[in-house]
Amino acid sequence: GAGVSQSPSNKVTEKGKDVELRCDPISGHTALYWYRQSLGQGLEFLIYFQGNSAPDKSGLPSDRFSAERTGGSVSTLTIQRTQQEDSAVYLCASSLLLRLAGLRNQETQYFGPGTRLLVL
Amino acid sequence: DAKTTQPPSMDCAEGRAANLPCNHSTISGNEYVYWYRQIHSQGPQYIIHGLKNNETNEMASLIITEDRKSSTLILPHATLRDTAVYYCIVRVAEGGKLIFGQGTELSVKP
Repeated sequence: GAGVSQSPSNKVTEKGKDVELRCDPISGHTALYWYRQSLGQGLEFLIYFQGNSAPDKSGLPSDRFSAERTGGSVSTLTIQRTQQEDSAVYLCASSLLLRLAGLRNQETQYFGPGTRLLVL
Repeated sequence: DAKTTQPPSMDCAEGRAANLPCNHSTISGNEYVYWYRQIHSQGPQYIIHGLKNNETNEMASLIITEDRKSSTLILPHATLRDTAVYYCIVRVAEGGKLIFGQGTELSVKP
Protein backbone atom coordinates (compact mmCIF):
# COMPACT_ATOMS: atom_id res chain seq x y z
CA GLY A 1 0.00 0.00 0.00
CA ALA A 2 0.95 3.68 -0.13
CA GLY A 3 3.51 4.80 2.36
CA VAL A 4 4.22 8.20 3.87
CA SER A 5 4.75 10.81 1.20
CA GLN A 6 6.39 14.20 1.50
CA SER A 7 6.57 17.19 -0.77
CA PRO A 8 8.53 18.80 -2.15
CA SER A 9 11.37 16.30 -2.29
CA ASN A 10 13.87 19.15 -2.58
CA LYS A 11 13.56 22.84 -1.76
CA VAL A 12 16.09 25.61 -2.28
CA THR A 13 15.25 28.96 -0.76
CA GLU A 14 16.90 32.23 0.12
CA LYS A 15 17.65 33.27 3.66
CA GLY A 16 14.71 35.14 5.15
CA LYS A 17 12.02 33.48 3.04
CA ASP A 18 9.25 31.30 4.48
CA VAL A 19 8.87 27.65 3.44
CA GLU A 20 6.12 25.07 3.84
CA LEU A 21 6.79 21.35 3.89
CA ARG A 22 3.99 18.85 3.48
CA CYS A 23 3.48 15.35 4.83
CA ASP A 24 0.81 12.86 3.78
CA PRO A 25 0.70 10.05 6.36
CA ILE A 26 -0.36 6.47 5.78
CA SER A 27 -4.14 6.34 5.58
CA GLY A 28 -5.69 5.66 8.98
CA HIS A 29 -2.59 6.47 10.99
CA THR A 30 -3.56 8.69 13.90
CA ALA A 31 -0.09 9.79 14.98
CA LEU A 32 2.27 11.94 12.92
CA TYR A 33 5.82 13.01 13.71
CA TRP A 34 8.29 15.51 12.27
CA TYR A 35 12.05 15.02 12.59
CA ARG A 36 15.02 16.66 10.95
CA GLN A 37 18.50 15.50 10.09
CA SER A 38 21.22 18.05 9.52
CA LEU A 39 24.27 17.15 7.42
CA GLY A 40 26.31 14.54 9.24
CA GLN A 41 24.04 14.68 12.28
CA GLY A 42 21.58 12.30 13.84
CA LEU A 43 17.82 12.49 13.61
CA GLU A 44 16.29 15.14 15.83
CA PHE A 45 12.62 15.10 16.94
CA LEU A 46 10.62 18.24 16.24
CA ILE A 47 6.90 17.72 16.96
CA TYR A 48 4.30 14.99 17.44
CA PHE A 49 0.60 15.02 16.55
CA GLN A 50 -2.08 12.71 17.87
CA GLY A 51 -5.05 13.45 15.67
CA ASN A 52 -5.05 17.21 15.13
CA SER A 53 -3.51 18.12 18.46
CA ALA A 54 0.19 18.32 19.28
CA PRO A 55 0.91 16.93 22.74
CA ASP A 56 4.66 17.26 22.26
CA LYS A 57 6.21 20.29 20.58
CA SER A 58 9.38 20.14 22.62
CA GLY A 59 11.69 19.67 19.65
CA LEU A 60 10.80 22.80 17.71
CA PRO A 61 14.07 24.79 17.76
CA SER A 62 12.56 28.28 17.71
CA ASP A 63 9.30 30.18 17.28
CA ARG A 64 10.08 30.43 13.57
CA PHE A 65 9.01 26.78 13.35
CA SER A 66 5.36 25.79 13.47
CA ALA A 67 3.27 22.86 12.31
CA GLU A 68 -0.36 22.04 11.92
CA ARG A 69 -2.41 19.02 11.06
CA THR A 70 -5.92 19.18 9.69
CA GLY A 71 -8.55 16.48 9.36
CA GLY A 72 -6.33 14.07 11.21
CA SER A 73 -4.37 13.55 8.02
CA VAL A 74 -2.07 15.94 6.14
CA SER A 75 0.44 18.00 8.10
CA THR A 76 2.36 21.11 7.14
CA LEU A 77 5.61 22.23 8.75
CA THR A 78 6.26 25.93 8.27
CA ILE A 79 9.60 27.64 8.76
CA GLN A 80 9.44 31.42 8.78
CA ARG A 81 12.37 33.70 7.97
CA THR A 82 14.61 30.76 7.12
CA GLN A 83 18.23 30.75 8.22
CA GLN A 84 21.16 28.83 6.78
CA GLU A 85 21.24 26.60 9.86
CA ASP A 86 17.73 25.40 8.94
CA SER A 87 19.25 23.50 6.02
CA ALA A 88 18.54 19.84 6.66
CA VAL A 89 16.44 16.86 5.61
CA TYR A 90 13.00 17.12 7.19
CA LEU A 91 11.44 13.72 7.79
CA CYS A 92 7.86 12.84 8.55
CA ALA A 93 6.65 9.60 10.12
CA SER A 94 3.21 8.23 10.91
CA SER A 95 1.98 5.44 13.13
CA LEU A 96 -1.05 3.67 14.52
CA LEU A 97 -1.20 2.46 18.10
CA LEU A 98 -2.40 -1.13 18.23
CA ARG A 99 -3.70 -2.23 21.61
CA LEU A 100 -3.11 -5.95 21.78
CA ALA A 101 -3.75 -8.53 24.44
CA GLY A 102 -1.20 -9.12 27.18
CA LEU A 103 0.02 -5.50 27.23
CA ARG A 104 1.77 -6.07 23.91
CA ASN A 105 0.85 -2.72 22.50
CA GLN A 106 2.52 -1.82 19.27
CA GLU A 107 3.22 1.57 17.81
CA THR A 108 5.63 1.50 14.89
CA GLN A 109 6.59 4.66 13.06
CA TYR A 110 6.93 4.55 9.29
CA PHE A 111 9.00 7.27 7.68
CA GLY A 112 8.64 9.17 4.45
CA PRO A 113 11.53 9.91 2.09
CA GLY A 114 12.10 13.39 3.49
CA THR A 115 12.32 16.92 2.10
CA ARG A 116 15.84 18.23 1.53
CA LEU A 117 15.87 21.92 2.39
CA LEU A 118 18.76 24.15 1.40
CA VAL A 119 18.79 27.74 2.60
CA LEU A 120 21.21 29.93 0.66
CA ASP B 1 20.04 11.75 25.13
CA ALA B 2 19.76 8.31 23.63
CA LYS B 3 19.48 5.51 26.17
CA THR B 4 21.45 3.08 24.02
CA THR B 5 25.09 2.48 23.18
CA GLN B 6 26.19 1.02 19.86
CA PRO B 7 29.57 0.59 18.16
CA PRO B 8 30.06 3.35 15.59
CA SER B 9 30.91 1.02 12.72
CA MET B 10 31.11 -2.63 11.71
CA ASP B 11 32.06 -4.57 8.61
CA CYS B 12 30.47 -7.78 7.38
CA ALA B 13 31.23 -10.04 4.44
CA GLU B 14 28.44 -10.51 1.93
CA GLY B 15 26.47 -13.67 2.62
CA ARG B 16 27.57 -13.89 6.23
CA ALA B 17 25.49 -13.08 9.28
CA ALA B 18 25.72 -9.53 10.59
CA ASN B 19 25.40 -9.29 14.38
CA LEU B 20 24.85 -5.76 15.62
CA PRO B 21 25.05 -5.26 19.40
CA CYS B 22 23.27 -2.68 21.51
CA ASN B 23 23.56 -1.88 25.20
CA HIS B 24 20.56 -0.44 27.04
CA SER B 25 21.39 -0.98 30.69
CA THR B 26 18.86 1.58 31.98
CA ILE B 27 15.87 0.18 30.10
CA SER B 28 12.58 0.31 32.02
CA GLY B 29 10.15 -2.55 32.36
CA ASN B 30 7.63 -1.03 29.95
CA GLU B 31 10.15 -0.04 27.29
CA TYR B 32 10.58 -1.91 24.04
CA VAL B 33 13.73 -2.28 21.96
CA TYR B 34 13.24 -1.01 18.42
CA TRP B 35 15.62 -1.28 15.49
CA TYR B 36 15.56 1.01 12.47
CA ARG B 37 18.02 1.43 9.64
CA GLN B 38 18.76 4.31 7.31
CA ILE B 39 20.17 3.66 3.90
CA HIS B 40 22.00 6.65 2.46
CA SER B 41 19.68 9.47 1.39
CA GLN B 42 16.54 7.63 2.46
CA GLY B 43 14.19 7.88 5.43
CA PRO B 44 14.64 5.44 8.32
CA GLN B 45 13.15 1.99 7.79
CA TYR B 46 11.58 -0.05 10.59
CA ILE B 47 13.20 -3.46 11.04
CA ILE B 48 11.95 -5.17 14.18
CA HIS B 49 11.10 -4.61 17.83
CA GLY B 50 10.68 -6.66 20.98
CA LEU B 51 9.98 -6.47 24.69
CA LYS B 52 11.70 -9.44 26.31
CA ASN B 53 11.30 -12.43 24.04
CA ASN B 54 13.38 -13.02 20.97
CA GLU B 55 11.68 -11.94 17.78
CA THR B 56 12.09 -12.86 14.12
CA ASN B 57 10.59 -11.48 10.95
CA GLU B 58 11.43 -11.57 7.27
CA MET B 59 14.17 -9.00 7.67
CA ALA B 60 16.00 -9.94 10.85
CA SER B 61 16.09 -11.55 14.26
CA LEU B 62 16.28 -9.75 17.58
CA ILE B 63 17.89 -11.42 20.55
CA ILE B 64 17.29 -9.73 23.93
CA THR B 65 19.24 -10.86 26.98
CA GLU B 66 17.32 -12.18 29.95
CA ASP B 67 18.11 -9.10 32.03
CA ARG B 68 17.10 -6.93 29.03
CA LYS B 69 20.21 -4.79 29.39
CA SER B 70 21.46 -5.59 25.91
CA SER B 71 20.30 -6.95 22.59
CA THR B 72 21.63 -8.10 19.23
CA LEU B 73 20.14 -7.55 15.81
CA ILE B 74 20.97 -10.38 13.43
CA LEU B 75 20.82 -10.09 9.65
CA PRO B 76 21.22 -13.77 8.75
CA HIS B 77 22.64 -13.40 5.24
CA ALA B 78 23.86 -9.86 4.69
CA THR B 79 23.77 -8.42 1.19
CA LEU B 80 25.35 -5.27 -0.22
CA ARG B 81 21.93 -3.59 0.05
CA ASP B 82 22.07 -4.00 3.83
CA THR B 83 24.81 -1.37 4.00
CA ALA B 84 23.24 1.32 6.19
CA VAL B 85 23.26 3.00 9.59
CA TYR B 86 21.44 0.84 12.11
CA TYR B 87 19.75 2.47 15.09
CA CYS B 88 18.78 0.74 18.32
CA ILE B 89 16.12 2.68 20.25
CA VAL B 90 14.33 1.98 23.52
CA ARG B 91 10.91 3.48 24.08
CA VAL B 92 7.48 2.81 25.44
CA ALA B 93 4.94 1.48 22.99
CA GLU B 94 2.30 4.07 23.82
CA GLY B 95 3.41 6.64 21.30
CA GLY B 96 5.86 9.49 21.42
CA LYS B 97 9.11 10.49 19.86
CA LEU B 98 11.95 8.22 18.84
CA ILE B 99 15.30 9.31 20.25
CA PHE B 100 18.01 8.39 17.78
CA GLY B 101 21.61 7.96 18.83
CA GLN B 102 24.53 7.82 16.43
CA GLY B 103 23.82 4.22 15.40
CA THR B 104 26.15 1.65 13.87
CA GLU B 105 27.32 2.15 10.32
CA LEU B 106 27.32 -1.34 8.81
CA SER B 107 29.37 -1.88 5.67
CA VAL B 108 28.70 -5.12 3.82
CA LYS B 109 31.63 -5.95 1.59
CA PRO B 110 31.81 -8.37 -1.36
